[in-house]
Amino acid sequence: KAGVTQTPRYLIKTRGQQVTLSCSPISGHRSVSWYQQTPGQGLQFLFEYFSETQRNKGNFPGRFSGRQFSNSRSEMNVSTLELGDSALYLCASSLAGTGSNEKLFFGSGTQLSVL
Amino acid sequence: DQQVKQNSPSLSVQEGRISILNCDYTNSMFDYFLWYKKYPAEGPTFLISISSIKDKNEDGRFTVFLNKSAKHLSLHIVPSQPGDSAVYFCAASPNQGGKLIFGQGTELSVKP
Repeated sequence: KAGVTQTPRYLIKTRGQQVTLSCSPISGHRSVSWYQQTPGQGLQFLFEYFSETQRNKGNFPGRFSGRQFSNSRSEMNVSTLELGDSALYLCASSLAGTGSNEKLFFGSGTQLSVL
Repeated sequence: DQQVKQNSPSLSVQEGRISILNCDYTNSMFDYFLWYKKYPAEGPTFLISISSIKDKNEDGRFTVFLNKSAKHLSLHIVPSQPGDSAVYFCAASPNQGGKLIFGQGTELSVKP
């Protein structure tokens, strides 16, 4: 069974640009969550999608958005990039994301550098 | 508001000795706790978990202890091996499910 796949692995952008990251969950998983990892801040929750609907949202500005397609694949978009958006963006999938004991399975992440 | 805190950014241990990683939380609604391990350039992988109805869960060299009254959990690795060198994240889940809340991570270095 293939794991969570994130593309691209690395991205370099300049301030003001926008970027789209992609995530393909494990087959059969319907919940996809996105996290931002920066040094010293751990993993900060961005949002979670289930059946094409955003079900949970973290405390990030509206420049960060996402969507989920009918095949459960998800994309995350960041508009008007800022230097502080440089981070590792991780996608995670789970079966349904509704049980408190569900595990998340992570992809290897997309390393975004904003110059 | 950091609901899950790992106050030690790094820990260095000799091979064969015990590694103890600590985690504190503030939200009493958390009822499921997990530890993830992360190597550079890879995503976090699940290591071990514990439900709030237990105070200890063991899996091979890894044991997680939960002290609900102190809102504190710890991960013990015995014996520590060089391959255990990684960043360890503590995470908590509220009893209604939903998003996992992660701590800042502790970088463990096990020296041969």
